[in-house]
Amino acid sequence: GGIITQTPKFLIGQEGQKLTLKCQQNFNHDTMYWYRQDSGKGLRLIYYSITENDLQKGDLSEGYDASREKKSSFSLTVTSAQKNEMAVFLCASSIGAGISYEQYFGPGTRLTVL
Amino acid sequence: TQTVSQSDAHVTVFEGDSVELRCNYSYGGSIYLSWYIQHHGHGLQFLLKYYSGNPVVQGVNGFEAEFSKSDSSFHLRKASVHWSDSAVYFCAVTPIVSSGSWQLIFGSGTQLTVMP
Repeated sequence: GGIITQTPKFLIGQEGQKLTLKCQQNFNHDTMYWYRQDSGKGLRLIYYSITENDLQKGDLSEGYDASREKKSSFSLTVTSAQKNEMAVFLCASSIGAGISYEQYFGPGTRLTVL
Repeated sequence: TQTVSQSDAHVTVFEGDSVELRCNYSYGGSIYLSWYIQHHGHGLQFLLKYYSGNPVVQGVNGFEAEFSKSDSSFHLRKASVHWSDSAVYFCAVTPIVSSGSWQLIFGSGTQLTVMP
């Protein structure tokens, strides 16, 4: 078994601020993902990383940067927080990149921008 | 444009009832289908998946789903629900494209509430 840890659990920022969310996994999975979850909507893919040192944009990458520092960690940066923005950011990992690989999710970071 | 539609935002049943959570998709090519569950305050957990073969697939905790190409559907069912099944359920579609790129496309989710 393994676990995905996301820090912080809650993040409160100011408009225009640069904010960083962190994700760690101990599954020894190659592929990691960042999703955004808005209330009443499905998850949308922001960035994913097939393996260490790789970075791929998802549909929602504008306004975000990502960094795969090492195999076990994947960070997401909100480059300029938008006023009244509220969303949950979910990190996930899978053994590999491909349609048949099950994704394992972390508990999420809840972002509120004042 | 590929879409995944979960027509019921909320479903409420009593413990021991059967339940069906609906998922319809729009995509003309080959796809891979899956269901995930999200308990309050937690991340998503994989329930089951379908690509080919028997259109009825079994998942964890007594869940099953049935694929119908004619209806473009992949509904999730459980014969007898427990209060611990209360959660949000997400249907996801992955179009299979020749470029090899892939992406999970999620529906908006259905909140299942099981009353005691």
